[in-house]
Amino acid sequence: EDQVTQSPEALRLQEGESSSLNCSYTVSGLRGLFWYRQDPGKGPEFLFTLYSAGEEKEKERLKATLTKKESFLHITAPKPEDSATYLCAVRRPGGYNKLIFGAGTRLAVHP
Amino acid sequence: KAGVTQTPRYLIKTRGQQVTLSCSPISGHRSVSWYQQTPGQGLQFLFEYFSETQRNKGNFPGRFSGRQFSNSRSEMNVSTLELGDSALYLCASSGDPQGSMGYEQYFGPGTRLTVT
Repeated sequence: EDQVTQSPEALRLQEGESSSLNCSYTVSGLRGLFWYRQDPGKGPEFLFTLYSAGEEKEKERLKATLTKKESFLHITAPKPEDSATYLCAVRRPGGYNKLIFGAGTRLAVHP
Repeated sequence: KAGVTQTPRYLIKTRGQQVTLSCSPISGHRSVSWYQQTPGQGLQFLFEYFSETQRNKGNFPGRFSGRQFSNSRSEMNVSTLELGDSALYLCASSGDPQGSMGYEQYFGPGTRLTVT
């Protein structure tokens, strides 16, 4: 069965303290791994899509990487405005646009 | 381009009632998916529509249904509401009909449904 597991469930960082979030998955023939950011009461905001092992993408203080079994979201020198829940999702072959989501990592960055 | 819009943003209903939620995708996007988000279950896929046809369905009871119009706007309906249906209902649109590489999905702000 397709599964997406994110760790840790929650992470507290001091401003400027870099860290990484993990997303491990079991999907045969991955057709894309997605990272979203979600603020309380709002819809998920698209960050990155990764398609093949070894691929990396960057946006401001965020960098996403992908291996055959997991993805990492690296946050460099975070700021309080980076506080949010980060969601990972995968798309499988034959699933059209259906995404399977992990439970998310709640990130809190304190000044 | 305007993003995905959902109406209403907030809704309070009573057990046993029915509700209809609306979603307008990004202009040019023809694939619309619906998700339910709850604290206990996270984000779960409900169904996907493309060209007015439902082509993918999640594990939800038949009380949950949807449709898509010729202009790609979509509605979802929940009949005989239960307390457990209280959730954030999210709509996502994509420019790719096949779910192939190179296309992302963009979410709307959601409709917060509270069932009392």
